[in-house]
Amino acid sequence: GAVVSQHPSWVICKSGTSVKIECRSLDFQATTMFWYRQFPKQSLMLMATSNEGSKATYEQGVEKDKFLINHASLTLSTLTVTSAHPEDSSFYICSASFGQAHVNQPQHFGDGTRLSIL
Amino acid sequence: LAKTTQPISMDSYEGQEVNITCSHNNIATNDYITWYQQFPSQGPRFIIQGYKTKVTNEVASLFIPADRKSSTLSLPRVSLSDTAVYYCLVGDMEYGNKLVFGAGTILRVKS
Repeated sequence: GAVVSQHPSWVICKSGTSVKIECRSLDFQATTMFWYRQFPKQSLMLMATSNEGSKATYEQGVEKDKFLINHASLTLSTLTVTSAHPEDSSFYICSASFGQAHVNQPQHFGDGTRLSIL
Repeated sequence: LAKTTQPISMDSYEGQEVNITCSHNNIATNDYITWYQQFPSQGPRFIIQGYKTKVTNEVASLFIPADRKSSTLSLPRVSLSDTAVYYCLVGDMEYGNKLVFGAGTILRVKS
């Protein structure tokens, strides 16, 4: 149980292109989803937290107009990297949790998306 | 959010038991301790979670002393496929609160 699917797993595109990454919870309803970014040989860095039906909360230093997050349903969140440039190349990972009161459920992660901007 | 401290790396041999200790001196009353495993180019995988004393599942054990200021992940009889980065996280995941990843421990298992 608790499977999170992330798509695409790998994308290469030209500078200036916008790229959308999908994160789906396949067998549970995720009230909260998280988006992380990871550079080679570094730890995961939290970018934003999204709750279904409301605006995402971005971490300090993350441009909300650059990284658009939509959490339209309890099973789907999307991250759109707008007008991507080479410095946006990274490994993007999503996670999902139940996010309920009195429930201490661990986050479940997708397998990540390798984004390469040429 | 409570900060955690782990060894940067550890080396072991196949068949040995590996213990990775994590310090979290500022853990809060409602915080749980969760361990994740990450292989290159994959998302982290949940290993085990606990609040106090000892928790065991099919892949690992988690030992938490009474003061909860540290915890130890125990991996019995490791194999080459256990080579990965292991992250200790502390937080209250009620209401889907966020987690902050530390540097993690690189475990290298040799034959």
